[in-house]
Amino acid sequence: GAVVSQHPSWVICKSGTSVKIECRSLDFQATTMFWYRQFPKQSLMLMATSNEGSKATYEQGVEKDKFLINHASLTLSTLTVTSAHPEDSSFYICSASTRTGQVDGYTFGSGTRLTVV
Amino acid sequence: KQEVTQIPAALSVPEGENLVLNCSFTDSAIYNLQWFRQDPGKGLTSLLLIQSSQREQTSGRLNASLDKSSGRSTLYIAASQPGDSATYLCAVRIQAGTALIFGKGTTLSVSS
Repeated sequence: GAVVSQHPSWVICKSGTSVKIECRSLDFQATTMFWYRQFPKQSLMLMATSNEGSKATYEQGVEKDKFLINHASLTLSTLTVTSAHPEDSSFYICSASTRTGQVDGYTFGSGTRLTVV
Repeated sequence: KQEVTQIPAALSVPEGENLVLNCSFTDSAIYNLQWFRQDPGKGLTSLLLIQSSQREQTSGRLNASLDKSSGRSTLYIAASQPGDSATYLCAVRIQAGTALIFGKGTTLSVSS
């Protein structure tokens, strides 16, 4: 089945630095990639939607200049957390839209645990 | 605005019990509904996907039902095992091509 590879699985960075998270679709073309964030004991919240070759669409309250999303190819999407602060510490996970016959589903990456110290 | 609620937030059962997890959504106009499993610190594993025209889906010991008109779905787990311990997430998709909207999940603990 469709697989999305996400890395790193965890990262610790200093406050003020930037961190890049990558998601690759291994055996299919991901025209749309969704990026979610999950705080402890909370639901996954959509941050942005990216379509290959175009600018990402950000959800209300998500700073587009802080969370840079690039979807330059059909198999790679990246999320860069710029000038990270402790409040950005969270679980970030990507999801690609997949289609099997007439069924639309989603395949998720394994997630990235970001800790900003 | 579509909202997804899952009850209970946490559940502890002894091994072998059959159990039901509940999911409700505020707007019945959905495209499909999906149940996921999330292990601590891990990503999501898709369990079952129900299209809006379907009433249920089954996979092994799992059965998910959908009552779109009442805005409810249930995930039935038969003969629970310690390996079933995880957080179960319900999510709806309101239109083709849009992102999933998640509930907060039910954290299940099955004791041996």
